[in-house]
Amino acid sequence: AQSVTQPDIHITVSEGASLELRCNYSYGATPYLFWYVQSPGQGLQLLLKYFSGDTLVQGIKGFEAEFKRSQSSFNLRKPSVHWSDAAEYFCAVDETTDSWGKFQFGAGTQVVVTP
Amino acid sequence: SQTIHQWPATLVQPVGSPLSLECTVEGTSNPNLYWYRQAAGRGLQLLFYSVGIGQISSEVPQNLSASRPQDRQFILSSKKLLLSDSGFYLCAWSRDGQETQYFGPGTRLLVL
Repeated sequence: AQSVTQPDIHITVSEGASLELRCNYSYGATPYLFWYVQSPGQGLQLLLKYFSGDTLVQGIKGFEAEFKRSQSSFNLRKPSVHWSDAAEYFCAVDETTDSWGKFQFGAGTQVVVTP
Repeated sequence: SQTIHQWPATLVQPVGSPLSLECTVEGTSNPNLYWYRQAAGRGLQLLFYSVGIGQISSEVPQNLSASRPQDRQFILSSKKLLLSDSGFYLCAWSRDGQETQYFGPGTRLLVL
């Protein structure tokens, strides 16, 4: 069965420092990959997605992610975090064999930004 | 542009009472619709999805049900709530044939 793993439940980072959130998946083919961000009490906002092509994808809010097939990973990065980046981040994988789009979400990584 | 609405935003209900959460999408037609539940400190669990009016598929057996009476309306219901039904319920939509899902603001349900 397909699964998505976010190994880090909680990350604390200083404002201005770099951030990397890990995401690993288990799936036979190359899935569609997504990163979402959720602020407290809010819905999920799409940061970026990878379908095919260039393995380094740029998203909103200065985030980028790199798809590495050999490692089955899709890690999210930001060179310099802002206090407003404090939120929970979810990696998601789409089983592309169905037209209706069944997403498998990771458990999420909570990011805390300190001054 | 497309927008997705959910209401109510917050709901406190006693155990055993009924439930009805509504989700509507504007600005698109024939969307795929999804209901997720997010329990405290946990990820998202897909509950139901729908690819068209009257077409509902359930991912997790439980005391919840879903209906799609109109093209852009998706309703989550229960006849009798359980304590374990507490959580944050998210509705999402995607275009038929495309893969990005767009989420609503969510409904926080507390069952006491």
